[in-house]
Amino acid sequence: SYVLTQPPSVSVAPGQTAWITCGGNNIGSKSVHWYQQKPGQAPVLVVNDDSDRPSGIPERFSGSNSGNTATLTITRVEAGDEADYYCQVWDTRRDHYVFGIGTKVTVL
Amino acid sequence: QITLKESGPTLVKPTQTLTLTCTFSGFSLKTDRVAVGWIRQPPGKALEWLALIYWDDDKRYSPSLRRRLSISKDTSKNQVVLTVTNMDPVDTATYYCAHFPSTSTDFDYWGQGTLVTVSS
Repeated sequence: SYVLTQPPSVSVAPGQTAWITCGGNNIGSKSVHWYQQKPGQAPVLVVNDDSDRPSGIPERFSGSNSGNTATLTITRVEAGDEADYYCQVWDTRRDHYVFGIGTKVTVL
Repeated sequence: QITLKESGPTLVKPTQTLTLTCTFSGFSLKTDRVAVGWIRQPPGKALEWLALIYWDDDKRYSPSLRRRLSISKDTSKNQVVLTVTNMDPVDTATYYCAHFPSTSTDFDYWGQGTLVTVSS
């Protein structure tokens, strides 16, 4: 099945930029979605279709996707951004949905 | 406003069948291309997609769990039901239902989740 690879953790200082990657074979040909999950809470969609932001999501969150890597970028990181972030795609070949293993973002 | 809420047992015994209900509001499962999905998350682990049911009753299942899963809908009650047979302690997880919009392949609204523990 289609595999999404994420780094287990990313650390970033407040005010700096965090980059969270999601690797997959030719992932640039797929639509990638990103979710933020804080402890004890349900996931929240923060970027859909590679780079769109749902209503209410700050502009600090952006996404890109090309080749074998999709990236979620969080600029001007705040303490409240500390969470797990998951990427997700639709595996068109097998017609099912796949999540990455998640990346824990720690704000130093 | 779209909302979803999961309900069902919090504790099941090994080998039993789990039945979970997702009750939703703010959208209709009669709308073209809309769907409801189930995703689970074992404690401290990643999200895992389980199943999806579309407005036209088309269904999709996780390949690894296909033989144990069944998803159905009752549009008159705005509910989606997931059953998981032959439960095992490794199936202990928070189970979420989520709205799948007609315009994308993401899950844009999620329920709060329900923790199901499998133990004798």
